Amino acid sequence: EAQVTQNPRYLITVTGKKLTVTCSQNMNHEYMSWYRQDPGLGLRQIYYSMNVEVTDKGDVPEGYKVSRKEKRNFPLILESPSPNQTSLYFCASRDRLQETQYFGPGTRLLVL
Amino acid sequence: SQQGEEDPQALSIQEGENATMNCSYKTSINNLQWYRQNSGRGLVHLILIRSNEREKHSGRLRVTLDTSKKSSSLLITASRAADTASYFCATVGYNNNDMRFGAGTRLTVKP
Repeated sequence: EAQVTQNPRYLITVTGKKLTVTCSQNMNHEYMSWYRQDPGLGLRQIYYSMNVEVTDKGDVPEGYKVSRKEKRNFPLILESPSPNQTSLYFCASRDRLQETQYFGPGTRLLVL
Repeated sequence: SQQGEEDPQALSIQEGENATMNCSYKTSINNLQWYRQNSGRGLVHLILIRSNEREKHSGRLRVTLDTSKKSSSLLITASRAADTASYFCATVGYNNNDMRFGAGTRLTVKP
């Protein structure tokens, strides 16, 4: 089954404790991206990647890092999480020629 | 930054009625897409309309696009309780990398 998976789905952590949210897709998509969703603000893009070893900032990249060492994986790294990064995070992917995105199920993060 | 803005923020209707949601945006676009999100879950693509198209249909969905007014509307006909969800418009610019979402319309369909 074609899908985007994220882990963990729920995470409670404390300020400053590094964490990684994994994202993996099995559709051989070149393009992957990360979004955060906050009430009243819709989805805002954090980072995106057009292919392996090619990443770029979205609208809200501060406090986040990403890497794209393999085509299928696009982890989101929070080196020193802060409470304002409490949010619902979505990973998405699409084919280079397609315009619609496939979204993962989301990761709900609470930073205390 | 948000590109699309949906209107209304929330909509409550009875089963069988039609639901209309609107989206306005600010800059030129390559295409506009509508997505649906069930509570707290991932978004699911519904329909895409290109900048040179004016109307598109898919089942009970009808999307219109007016590039002169920079606006789009999503019509769901004969709504069902299962249509209860949040609906988002997303605009895609010509470099195809920047997909920007609005804040969404929360639709409730009462049985």
